[in-house]
Amino acid sequence: DGGITQSPKYLFRKEGQNVTLSCEQNLNHDAMYWYRQDPGQGLRLIYYSQIVNDFQKGDIAEGYSVSREKKESFPLTVTSAQKNPTAFYLCASSISALSYEQYFGPGTRLTVT
Amino acid sequence: GENVEQHPSTLSVQEGDSAVIKCTYSDSASNYFPWYKQELGKGPQLIIDIRSNVGEKKDQRIAVTLNKTAKHFSLHITETQPEDSAVYFCSNQAGTALIFGKGTTLSVSS
Repeated sequence: DGGITQSPKYLFRKEGQNVTLSCEQNLNHDAMYWYRQDPGQGLRLIYYSQIVNDFQKGDIAEGYSVSREKKESFPLTVTSAQKNPTAFYLCASSISALSYEQYFGPGTRLTVT
Repeated sequence: GENVEQHPSTLSVQEGDSAVIKCTYSDSASNYFPWYKQELGKGPQLIIDIRSNVGEKKDQRIAVTLNKTAKHFSLHITETQPEDSAVYFCSNQAGTALIFGKGTTLSVSS
């Protein structure tokens, strides 16, 4: 099956720990994105990557980091500097940055206590 | 910054009725307007989109209209069914990214 996978579905961490969320796609898409979703809110862009080894900050990048070493993979690290890390995290991809049609993975719900 | 306003935040209809969700955007350079449906605990699914060179697009029971002059676009669902119950997000392209509305929770009761 082609698509976007995110793992794990649920993740629990203690405050002060860094945690990395996985996102993999086998759609051969060039562009990948990370969004954060909070209850009653829309999706807010954290980081995006248009090609391998390149990425840009979105609207709420503080406290997060990413890497794009492979076309298929775009992991997101939530660092201890992120003040409110508990949220639903969504990864998406598109054929290219100019195609705009984004397809989403199933999401990871991160809870930090 | 650029934003998109979405109304209403909740919408309850009877099965078979129509549902309309409206959005207003600020970026006059936007040319792409997708709508997403999100079921509980899942990622959003692209259900329909429209580009600025057309005013309306239909796909079975779903239609989207666009008024670029007024910077409005709307989602219309006809003959609603219980499985249409979900959160719907409008979005528009801003630069190389998408900006999302805050969502409309649609409840269809049978």
